[in-house]
Amino acid sequence: DVKVTQSSRYLVKRTGEKVFLECVQDMDHENMFWYRQDPGLGLRLIYFSYDVKMKEKGDIPEGYSVSREKKERFSLILESASTNQTSMYLCASSLPTVSYGYTFGSGTRLTVV
Amino acid sequence: AQSVTQPDIHITVSEGASLELRCNYSYGATPYLFWYVQSPGQGLQLLLKYFSGDTLVQGIKGFEAEFKRSQSSFNLRKPSVHWSDAAEYFCAVGPRAGGTSYGKLTFGQGTILTVHP
Repeated sequence: DVKVTQSSRYLVKRTGEKVFLECVQDMDHENMFWYRQDPGLGLRLIYFSYDVKMKEKGDIPEGYSVSREKKERFSLILESASTNQTSMYLCASSLPTVSYGYTFGSGTRLTVV
Repeated sequence: AQSVTQPDIHITVSEGASLELRCNYSYGATPYLFWYVQSPGQGLQLLLKYFSGDTLVQGIKGFEAEFKRSQSSFNLRKPSVHWSDAAEYFCAVGPRAGGTSYGKLTFGQGTILTVHP
């Protein structure tokens, strides 16, 4: 069964900590995405990667960075976590054309205290 | 710019009743069209997608959707709702050709479905 795996379902971090969210896909997809999901705001794109070491800012990149050193892994980094980054984070992957849509991971619920 | 509108933030239906969730999009050309479902605390699961051809598409869990080009709509339907269908539903569109949005889906805000016994 093909899948996108996010390393943690729940995380609690302190303000100011550096936080790493990991995502791995086994479908050999070129594209990978990080979204955050907040009630009433839907899904907002943070960063997008279309190839190894390639990245593109999404709609809300401030306070975040990403790393894609291998095709199957896409990491989201919160350089200095803040309480307003408490959210659900969703990783997804797809073929370049999105003709088959995205495959999503189960999400990471991050709480920053 | 492309956009997706789901006019209903929250819908409540009784178990066994029929369901229709609305989705309207604004796009330069007919895009790829998708419906996703998200159960509480989970990621999004693909319900169905429209590429071309027959405008009525069947998906998993007994859902179907109809593409209407003249109305720029892609509404999701189910004839008889089950309590397990309670979830949040997202409509999404994606480009068929190049451009700045190539490779990315645009999502609606989501519709929360509550099912009463």
